[in-house]
Amino acid sequence: SQQGEEDPQALSIQEGENATMNCSYKTSINNLQWYRQNSGRGLVHLNLIRSNEREKHSGRLRVTLDTSKKSSSLLITASRAADTASYFCATAGGQGGSEKLVFGKGTKLTVNP
Amino acid sequence: ETGVTQTPRHLVMGMTNKKSLKCEQHLGHNAMYWYKQSAKKPLELMFVYSLEERVENNSVPSRFSPECPNSSHLFLHLHTLQPEDSALYLCASSQSYPGRRHYTFGSGTRLTVV
Repeated sequence: SQQGEEDPQALSIQEGENATMNCSYKTSINNLQWYRQNSGRGLVHLNLIRSNEREKHSGRLRVTLDTSKKSSSLLITASRAADTASYFCATAGGQGGSEKLVFGKGTKLTVNP
Repeated sequence: ETGVTQTPRHLVMGMTNKKSLKCEQHLGHNAMYWYKQSAKKPLELMFVYSLEERVENNSVPSRFSPECPNSSHLFLHLHTLQPEDSALYLCASSQSYPGRRHYTFGSGTRLTVV
């Protein structure tokens, strides 16, 4: 299936440390997106990286994409307690793949003050 | 507020009840989605409407019935639900379908079936 799979499932760090979350997928994609969800709330879009892009930066967030390894990473630098949330990757299929946006199970990040 | 509003935020219903979830967006998007989020499971895509036409129905039981009267509103009608249907139901919208643009989500409706 095209579904993204995040790794690790849970991550606990101290404030100020960097957090890295990984996502792997199985089929070709058009783009890969990262979302954040605070407990019991809706998902908030963080970043979209297209299949022909390798890296994108947005503030303290850095997203990389390696289509040869079918993997992506989300790096949050200088983490804050407010970054505590679940983070999801979602893939949108490329040629021959399903076009709908498919989400993984997410990484639960806890940033301890 | 994200621009996608879901009501109610919480809903408790018996298995014989009929209720509806409502989603509204004023972002000018032309695609709308219903997702189900259960504990320890990936988000499950239930229905997709693109230009007010249903384009996806992912083997969802008939006790869930979607309705999209116009491009700004989406409903999920519920009847004779089961306890395993308890979950967070999320509505989302996007500029286009398929997933070539990012989605904007509502805050969800927490549904409990008793």
